[in-house]
Amino acid sequence: DIQMTQSPSTLSASVGDRVTITCRATQSISTWLAWYQQKPGKAPKVLIYKASTLESGVPSRFSGSGSGTEFSLTISSLQPADFATYYCHQYNSYPVTFGGGTKVEIK
Amino acid sequence: EVQLVESGGGLVEPGGSLRLSCAASGFTFSRYWMSWVRQAPGKGLEWVANIKEDGSEKHYVDSVKGRFTISRDNAKNSLYLQMNSLRAEDTAVYYCARYDGSPRSFEYWGQGSLVTVSA
Repeated sequence: DIQMTQSPSTLSASVGDRVTITCRATQSISTWLAWYQQKPGKAPKVLIYKASTLESGVPSRFSGSGSGTEFSLTISSLQPADFATYYCHQYNSYPVTFGGGTKVEIK
Repeated sequence: EVQLVESGGGLVEPGGSLRLSCAASGFTFSRYWMSWVRQAPGKGLEWVANIKEDGSEKHYVDSVKGRFTISRDNAKNSLYLQMNSLRAEDTAVYYCARYDGSPRSFEYWGQGSLVTVSA
């Protein structure tokens, strides 16, 4: 099984900060990686798919990069609505798996 | 508008059974793979099962193989998860999700249904 490791697990930041979350796979997944945002009590929402493609309707301050085993999600200027938990997810092969999550908190 | 609405969750004793349902609308259900993804309280996301458009292919995470069965009824635009031999570690919110696979993965999600396994 492909394991996905996210770092950091918690991130404290201020509105306007640039933040980056990293995700590492235990083997190459090409660009079969998605990023999800989840707020308390809500279903996850897709932000990025295919490692770097922005989902329709998602603000352009979100961007994704990487391929193979190293990936990142960047928020260029953190907004109040962005305080949430973020998950990376590989869908290169079964079982599809998720990272452990990164909680972005208000500093 | 795509809508996925889960139902059937609740409290069940260890060893018991439960059947979750997901009613789909706003898209041609029979043209998409569908999935169940769960989230234990305070924990991360875990994929549970996928089913092909016509039901001919299914995949499961190892921890539920032999206990859970995913199925669908395309005439009723409905997805199901039959859960048997439930364990405390199956306690979670279960989400129904539309699975694209390429280029996207889980594109649309339901609101979730809580399953609690406890004596």
